[in-house]
Amino acid sequence: GAVVSQHPSWVICKSGTSVKIECRSLDFQATTMFWYRQFPKQSLMLMATSNEGSKATYEQGVEKDKFLINHASLTLSTLTVTSAHPEDSSFYICSATGETQYFGPGTRLLVL
Amino acid sequence: ILNVEQSPQSLHVQEGDSTNFTCSFPSSNFYALHWYRWETAKSPEALFVMTLNGDEKKKGRISATLNTKEGYSYLYIKGSQPEDSATYLCAWDTGRRALTFGSGTRLQVQP
Repeated sequence: GAVVSQHPSWVICKSGTSVKIECRSLDFQATTMFWYRQFPKQSLMLMATSNEGSKATYEQGVEKDKFLINHASLTLSTLTVTSAHPEDSSFYICSATGETQYFGPGTRLLVL
Repeated sequence: ILNVEQSPQSLHVQEGDSTNFTCSFPSSNFYALHWYRWETAKSPEALFVMTLNGDEKKKGRISATLNTKEGYSYLYIKGSQPEDSATYLCAWDTGRRALTFGSGTRLQVQP
């Protein structure tokens, strides 16, 4: 089946630093990828839609200048959390569009 | 806000028990309903994509039904095994490919 990898799987950083998360479709090409996040005891919530070769579209309430998305190739999308703060601590997970939505294993971010 | 609700939140069963969970979703703007199985530290695994009212799909001991008119789907597991322990997610798809998820049902199967 289709495989999506995500790196890193977990990261701890200091407040004010930036963190980059990579999402790769390993055996298929994806023109569209999605980024979700999950806070404790809540559902996965869509943050943004990442389109290869064009700007990402963000859901209401998600700051595009804080969560930078780059989808430079058909197999890679990156999410950069800029100037991270403790409230950005969450679980971030990507999906890539194939026959269905295929998910990566997620990245747990802890901002101290 | 249009929500997807799943029940129960968690379930503990004995090996060999059969079980079922419910997913309710808005019946408007329906395109598909997805079921995923999610084990800790792994990627959510796609189980079913259901599109037609009355659909029933089966994968081994797991099956699912769909009622788009009333906005619900059931997932059944027959003869639960410890390896079925996971969180089961459903997600409502309006056709824009991004998914709206329920909060999941956490299943624990005791040997």
